[in-house]
Amino acid sequence: AQTVTQSQPEMSVQEAETVTLSCTYDTSESDYYLFWYKQPPSRQMILVIRQEAYKQQNATENRFSVNFQKAAKSFSLKISDSQLGDAAMYFCAYRSPIQGAQKLVFGQGTRLTINP
Amino acid sequence: NAGVTQTPKFQVLKTGQSMTLQCAQDMNHEYMSWYRQDPGMGLRLIHYSVGAGITDQGEVPNGYNVSRSTTEDFPLRLLSAAPSQTSVYFCASGGRGNSPLHFGNGTRLTVT
Repeated sequence: AQTVTQSQPEMSVQEAETVTLSCTYDTSESDYYLFWYKQPPSRQMILVIRQEAYKQQNATENRFSVNFQKAAKSFSLKISDSQLGDAAMYFCAYRSPIQGAQKLVFGQGTRLTINP
Repeated sequence: NAGVTQTPKFQVLKTGQSMTLQCAQDMNHEYMSWYRQDPGMGLRLIHYSVGAGITDQGEVPNGYNVSRSTTEDFPLRLLSAAPSQTSVYFCASGGRGNSPLHFGNGTRLTVT
């Protein structure tokens, strides 16, 4: 079974600075999907960014980018120019490519605090 | 666009009581699922469905039942609530391929 590990329970960063959240995973599959979700205090689960394992290029969404290292099974999230609204729990998630069954395996989460 | 709607938002139960958490989606998604979120453990899959009439167990199915009689609805039933089921519950739905999951806003359940 696949596992996802987020080794940083909490992180903090100064507003406007850059922060990187770590995520590692374990799988024997060669093709899969990886996601980062943001959960603000409202409890909503918001998709931040996703990466297909077959794509070598790292995904980018505005201030959010990933460093996907397939051989190392690492999928870190970089937030540039941190804003107060980025404060939230962040979850890394893995999904097998099995058609029809979008089962996500989540990491434990990292709570990100933004210091003004 | 309603997306995924979960009710209720909050619920308090006594040990042994039963209840149903409702989940409805209006995006015609085939896939629906239930997760529970506990501190320090992320979200864990309880049950999922790949279409009407088809359900399967996830990682933590014990104590929960599901059914899928329509594409839109996927209720989660607790037959005899236990304190260990105190958690935040999320329903999610998804379309085909690598489209992302859409989550409801969660239900905070407390069992005393």
